[in-house]
Amino acid sequence: GIQVEQSPPDLILQEGANSTLRCNFSDSVNNLQWFHQNPWGQLINLFYIPSGTKQNGRLSATTVATERYSLLYISSSQTTDSGVYFCAVELTGGGNKLTFGTGTQLKVEL
Amino acid sequence: SAVISQKPSRDICQRGTSLTIQCQVDSQVTMMFWYRQQPGQSLTLIATANQGSEATYESGFVIDKFPISRPNLTFSTLTVSNMSPEDSSIYLCSVVGVTEAFFGQGTRLTVV
Repeated sequence: GIQVEQSPPDLILQEGANSTLRCNFSDSVNNLQWFHQNPWGQLINLFYIPSGTKQNGRLSATTVATERYSLLYISSSQTTDSGVYFCAVELTGGGNKLTFGTGTQLKVEL
Repeated sequence: SAVISQKPSRDICQRGTSLTIQCQVDSQVTMMFWYRQQPGQSLTLIATANQGSEATYESGFVIDKFPISRPNLTFSTLTVSNMSPEDSSIYLCSVVGVTEAFFGQGTRLTVV
């Protein structure tokens, strides 16, 4: 099956710092999404981004489908950004089923 | 977007018992998805629940262990049967909107 690897696995930032999270996938995909899982376990959809670049406030994401990777940028990080970030992909013809990446655990400190 | 209510939010269960998790969506959807997240791990799809037909299970998951019901287009249940400590996980239901996936708040299950 498809492999979805994220890096780094863990990241500690000082508040106000910027960071880039990466998601590599091993096969062509129909769509790619980024999620934030807060410390209480709730998953929030950040971006639906099968290709191109999107921005939402301090967050932006870029997917280069032909090279099979996506990047999530967090600027001016805040303590509320802490949690786990997952990318998830749907294979072409996958029937909306998502394969999740390995995750990046982010901690933002004061 | 979709609003998904999942119950219970957490439970502690004895080994050998079963727990049924409920998922209610605020709009009609064709497919509902059940995922498992083991401690410190990523999410893995258990099965896809379609109204009016049997659920479709992913490799490694079987109906006897994880029976699913889908009585209508806004509701589904997942039962974790004959539980063991290895079943301790967060279980999440999900639906897909036009493009994006939405998740319930999850059920944090601990089996003792």
